[in-house]
Amino acid sequence: EAGVAQSPRYKIIEKRQSVAFWCNPISGHATLYWYQQILGQGPKLLIQFQNNGVVDDSQLPKDRFSAERLKGVDSTLKIQPAKLEDSAVYLCASSFRGVNTEAFFGQGTRLTVV
Amino acid sequence: AQSVSQHNHHVILSEAASLELGCNYSYGGTVNLFWYVQYPGQHLQLLLKYFSGDPLVKGIKGFEAEFIKSKFSFNLRKPSVQWSDTAEYFCAVNSLNDMRFGAGTRLTVKP
Repeated sequence: EAGVAQSPRYKIIEKRQSVAFWCNPISGHATLYWYQQILGQGPKLLIQFQNNGVVDDSQLPKDRFSAERLKGVDSTLKIQPAKLEDSAVYLCASSFRGVNTEAFFGQGTRLTVV
Repeated sequence: AQSVSQHNHHVILSEAASLELGCNYSYGGTVNLFWYVQYPGQHLQLLLKYFSGDPLVKGIKGFEAEFIKSKFSFNLRKPSVQWSDTAEYFCAVNSLNDMRFGAGTRLTVKP
């Protein structure tokens, strides 16, 4: 079974530039998560999708971050404009909808803002 | 929203020592509980999970965890750690598809 695919693996940008990350979840997984993991901290949930609808985006800095999941499959997360404090690993995870499910994680995208 | 607390930020042990990492959560409803491990430079991997049934759960690499509902806890244990267990350990709670992580515990095992 193919896992969660993310690209790119690494990205270095200057502050105030824009960047986009892509995620392809495991086939059949209705739930998709984007997490931000700052060095030394646990993953922080940014946004959760159920199919192509947003379930929770309460911790997404909406003035600069946006995410979409067209057709309920792939998802993109965008930052515009980036700040130094956005340097982190951005993790995508997916799971089946319903109870007693586990989330499967991608390798993540390491973003460095200089 | 639910929250997850991990008591220890950094634990240092010698090889063969026993390990217990604490995890408490704040949600009162039905939860699924997880421990993930992140080895240096690698992505998150599932160590073990609890959905229902026997509250003592066994995972990979000799790890186990015990769910104590009355204490809202899900502590991770290993009787004898190895140098290769050096990693970051994250407790996670999933309730109604809302998955939250603790801040993590860094484990360093000295050879």
